Amino acid sequence: DVKVTQSSRYLVKRTGEKVFLECVQDMDHENMFWYRQDPGLGLRLIYFSYDVKMKEKGDIPEGYSVSREKKERFSLILESASTNQTSMYLCASETGGGPTGYEQYFGPGTRLTVT
Amino acid sequence: AQRVTQPEKLLSVFKGAPVELKCNYSYSGSPELFWYVQYSRQRLQLLLRHISRESIKGFTADLNKGETSFHLKKPFAQEEDSAMYYCALEGSNYKLTFGKGTLLTVNP
Repeated sequence: DVKVTQSSRYLVKRTGEKVFLECVQDMDHENMFWYRQDPGLGLRLIYFSYDVKMKEKGDIPEGYSVSREKKERFSLILESASTNQTSMYLCASETGGGPTGYEQYFGPGTRLTVT
Repeated sequence: AQRVTQPEKLLSVFKGAPVELKCNYSYSGSPELFWYVQYSRQRLQLLLRHISRESIKGFTADLNKGETSFHLKKPFAQEEDSAMYYCALEGSNYKLTFGKGTLLTVNP
């Protein structure tokens, strides 16, 4: 079974704080992703990484950065948290392709509240 | 640009009734399409993908390139099908674009 774990289920931070969200996968997947999930907006891609030290911007990267120093770990950083970053954050890792196509495995999510 | 549209935010049916969750996409290349599901208090998980042509939990989805659609169907809905369903498209750069989701409620 693929395991994708996120460091916290719930997090409360103050405006202006630097916030680190950690994600670890145990299946040696090359691709990892960070999304935010908001009611009525679905999932929106923040950043993704297809290799160690590689990163690509997603659809809403503003206010976020990422770090991938090791293959199994992908961190999302909020440099200066703001109230509009209150959301559910989902991490995912992805198998390779092949005949059955790609599949993303999701973590349980971190509900971040910025006050 | 790739885009996924799920026109229904909410869908409510009775147990035993047929259900269809709509998904339309926009993509210039050959798309990989998926349905993901999130049951209450569970993590998001893959339900099915068009490339494998499988039926999972009685659900099927057919890719219609002419209509650029990938609707999810089940002939007889069950209460345990109540969940949030997301249609997703993967383009050429590993990027998965999700629709906004449809919350399905199956009433007893």
